[in-house]
Amino acid sequence: DAKTTQPTSMDCAEGRAANLPCNHSTISGNEYVYWYRQIHSQGPQYIIHGLKNNETNEMASLIITEDRKSSTLILPHATLRDTAVYYCIVENNNDMRFGAGTRLTVKP
Amino acid sequence: DTGVSQDPRHKITKRGQNVTFRCDPISEHNRLYWYRQTLGQGPEFLTYFQNEAQLEKSRLLSDRFSAERPKGSFSTLEIQRTEQGDSAMYLCASSLDEGTDTQYFGPGTRLTVL
Repeated sequence: DAKTTQPTSMDCAEGRAANLPCNHSTISGNEYVYWYRQIHSQGPQYIIHGLKNNETNEMASLIITEDRKSSTLILPHATLRDTAVYYCIVENNNDMRFGAGTRLTVKP
Repeated sequence: DTGVSQDPRHKITKRGQNVTFRCDPISEHNRLYWYRQTLGQGPEFLTYFQNEAQLEKSRLLSDRFSAERPKGSFSTLEIQRTEQGDSAMYLCASSLDEGTDTQYFGPGTRLTVL
C-alpha cells in the first residue's frame, strides 16, 4: 500500500504557482520523499526528492514540514505543459510504492 | 528522454501467447526495475535487479511472469500464456546505487491482450 495521501485532482491557472500537498504521517526517519509526474502515455518523470531539508531544482521546490509528516511540491510558474499526474512517494531501501497521485490541470 | 529505452513500445497479442519485452537502462546504472501500470493507477512494482542479481521477485504477479538480466546490462520481462488481465503498460526504470535511489523511467511498453 502507498504510504502517502494526495488529493485526487487540482486545478491551477497558467502562470500561477501550483502547490501540491502530500501527507505521509507514517514516514520513518530514513525514508525519502520523492515526487514524480506522468504526462499521458509517457513514463513517470523524476522531479525532486528530499529527506529533511527543503529542496529546489530547476523544475520545482519541495517543502517538507519539520515533523516530516507532510510535504508540498511547488511549481512556481505553472504552464500548460505541467498538466500531468503528480505522484508523492515515500521511498525506503529501493521500495517505491506509487499511489494514484494528484491529477493537476493547468488552465489558460 | 531519460536514457532508458524499452522495446517494443506497443504489443498486441492473442490470449495464450507468450510475450517478451526488453529494457535498456542508462549505461552506468546498476539497478533495474520493472513495474506494471493499469489504467488510472500508479505504477506497481514487480521486480528489480542489482547488476545481474534479481534481488526481489516476490511481487511478480504470478509464475507466468519472469525477468532476466543476464549480463547486468539490458533486461527482459516475459509473460507466458498471456491473459486479458495482463493488458497494461509495463515500465522499466534504472538507478545508480549511491545512497538515494532516484529511478529514471523508460517510455513503457503497452501490452494489449485480445
